[in-house]
Amino acid sequence: GEDVEQSLFLSVREGDSSVINCTYTDSSSTYLYWYKQEPGAGLQLLTYIFSNMDMKQDQRLTVLLNKKDKHLSLRIADTQTGDSAIYFCAEKGQAGTALIFGKGTTLSVSS
Amino acid sequence: DSGVTQTPKHLITATGQRVTLRCSPRSGDLSVYWYQQSLDQGLQFLIQYYNGEERAKGNILERFSAQQFPDLHSELNLSSLELGDSALYFCASSVEGSGGVDTQYFGPGTRLTVL
Repeated sequence: GEDVEQSLFLSVREGDSSVINCTYTDSSSTYLYWYKQEPGAGLQLLTYIFSNMDMKQDQRLTVLLNKKDKHLSLRIADTQTGDSAIYFCAEKGQAGTALIFGKGTTLSVSS
Repeated sequence: DSGVTQTPKHLITATGQRVTLRCSPRSGDLSVYWYQQSLDQGLQFLIQYYNGEERAKGNILERFSAQQFPDLHSELNLSSLELGDSALYFCASSVEGSGGVDTQYFGPGTRLTVL
């Protein structure tokens, strides 16, 4: 079945780059998303990538997609303490509408 | 602020009870989705409505039901509540409810605690 896997924790120092990784199983996924959840808040869409793209850059965020290995990554350049949050990778499932989420990666940024 | 509103923010109730969670989508969005976030299961899709009609169903229990009204707001009804139903319930909305990029925007969630 469909599954999305992420590592649970990542700790970085302020100013460093963060790389959050994700693997998915549904090769028919057409769109892959990154959402951010801050404590006590809802999910904020950060960016998405279409499956025929290898890379997408949006200010400090870079998304890399390796479709052959079904591997997605989110790189945050110049990570700030305000980037501390849980980051979720999600794919659109075979039904084409619902999002299938990973368990989330908690990013901790220390100053 | 995503433009999706959910009420109430918090709900505390007892086992066996029934509650209703409410969601208003972003202006112009026709589709509403409900997700449950719990510590053990993570974020799970429950159900989707598009313009008043059910479009897709996920891991929604028979004790749970939802509807979308003509003004496009949606309600999620949870009945015969069990301790394991304690979770954060999110509503999301999108324009088309289709398989395209059709981005889903999430509300702040309703935290349900069943005692």
